Amino acid sequence: AQSVAQPEDQVNVAEGNPLTVKCTYSVSGNPYLFWYVQYPNRGLQFLLKYITGDNLVKGSYGFEAEFNKSQTSFHLKKPSALVSDSALYFCAVRDRGSGNTGKLIFGQGTTLQVKP
Amino acid sequence: NAGVMQNPRHLVRRRGQEARLRCSPMKGHSHVYWYRQLPEEGLKFMVYLQKENIIDESGMPKERFSAEFPKEGPSILRIQQVVRGDSAAYFCASSPLGDRLQETQYFGPGTRLLVL
Repeated sequence: AQSVAQPEDQVNVAEGNPLTVKCTYSVSGNPYLFWYVQYPNRGLQFLLKYITGDNLVKGSYGFEAEFNKSQTSFHLKKPSALVSDSALYFCAVRDRGSGNTGKLIFGQGTTLQVKP
Repeated sequence: NAGVMQNPRHLVRRRGQEARLRCSPMKGHSHVYWYRQLPEEGLKFMVYLQKENIIDESGMPKERFSAEFPKEGPSILRIQQVVRGDSAAYFCASSPLGDRLQETQYFGPGTRLLVL
C-alpha cells in the first residue's frame, strides 16, 4: 500500500539554526513529491515539488528538499529558521502510475516550532 | 488571480441535518479535488472531479456523501444526515488542465464542519 511517513510529530529549533523536517515514502516506482505548509486555521500552501532532474529542489521562503531514491526520502530543509516558519508541514506523494488520477497521499504532518 | 475559494469557512450542523460545502477553483483550473482532515491527522483524498464528471471517488464514504462539479458554478460536496464523526476540515484543491500528475494542486482555506 502507498504511504508517507513523517516520523516526527514536532520539531523544535532555535531561530537562525538550520532545520530539517523528515519524510519517507512507500510508493511503487518513482513518485512525484510535494511539501505543503499549513498555518493555523488556514489552507495548505505549496512550498516545492520534485518531478524529475536535480535531486535538490528549491522552493518558496528559502526552503529546499532533497530527493533520495535509495532511502526513499524527501526531507525538507532550510539553512536558517525564522520564528515565522512555525507551522504544520505536510509531505505528500503522487504515484506516477498511469491509473492514478492525480490524488495526493499525505503524511500525518510535522509541527515545526521555531523559538527566538 | 484569486485563489481557490471555499464557503462557508465554518459550518455548524446538528446530527441528521445536511451539509453543503462549496468550492470555486482558481480561474483556468479544470481539476477539482476534495480532501478531509480529521483532528490530529493528515489530509485524506475523497474525490476528484472535472466539469460535469466524477473521475475518481475511491476515497468517498459509500453512503451519505456526494460531490458534483456542474458546468456552471462551484463544486459542491454534500453530506446528508451528518453524524458527529463527520466533524472535520474539508479542503478543496484545484489544478490546471494539463498533465495532472505533474501539476501542483492549490488549496482553498477549507470548511470546518462541526456536528453537534
